[in-house]
Amino acid sequence: EAGVTQSPTHLIKTRGQQATLRCSPISGHTSVYWYQQALGLGLQFLLWYDEGEERNRGNFPPRFSGRQFPNYSSELNVNALELEDSALYLCASSLRDIVSYEQYFGPGTRLTVT
Amino acid sequence: AQKITQTQPGMFVQEKEAVTLDCTYDTSDPSYGLFWYKQPSSGEMIFLIYQGSYDQQNATEGRYSLNFQKARKSANLVISASQLGDSAMYFCAMREGDFNKFYFGSGTKLNVKP
Repeated sequence: EAGVTQSPTHLIKTRGQQATLRCSPISGHTSVYWYQQALGLGLQFLLWYDEGEERNRGNFPPRFSGRQFPNYSSELNVNALELEDSALYLCASSLRDIVSYEQYFGPGTRLTVT
Repeated sequence: AQKITQTQPGMFVQEKEAVTLDCTYDTSDPSYGLFWYKQPSSGEMIFLIYQGSYDQQNATEGRYSLNFQKARKSANLVISASQLGDSAMYFCAMREGDFNKFYFGSGTKLNVKP
């Protein structure tokens, strides 16, 4: 069974540009979660998608947005990049409504804003 | 209130000794799951162990065990016979049954000394 995949692995952008990060969940998983992890810090919840809908978002400005496609893959867009957006962005997928079911994480996209 | 609290930003342990990483949680949902993840310096998130709110016994997975004290709302991770490869960040997480939401703690950085 293929795991959660993310692309690209690394992304270097200039302040003010836009970044697009992609995530493919494990087959059969309908929920996709996005997290931001600044260097040496914990995970900050960004967005949760399920069945194509945004179900919840964390305390991030509107320039962080995304979507989930019919095949449940997801895209995270960050507009008007700022230096502090430099971080590891982790995507995770899971099944709905099974409290014992964990999140499976992808390898992450490391975004560097210069 | 914080849903998941990890009060130890960093811990040191001697190789081959046991170590306990603390985690307390806050929920009013009777159905919930508790998870521990390991994040090595490479950035990947590795699922370690799960404990359900209705489980009568503490979960164990190899050298990992979860000391579940429901009344105190604590779910401490115990690593026995620490190895150098255990050096990593460790995150405690909770999934509430009603909302499919996951909450992560701020993490504990464990350093195993030779």
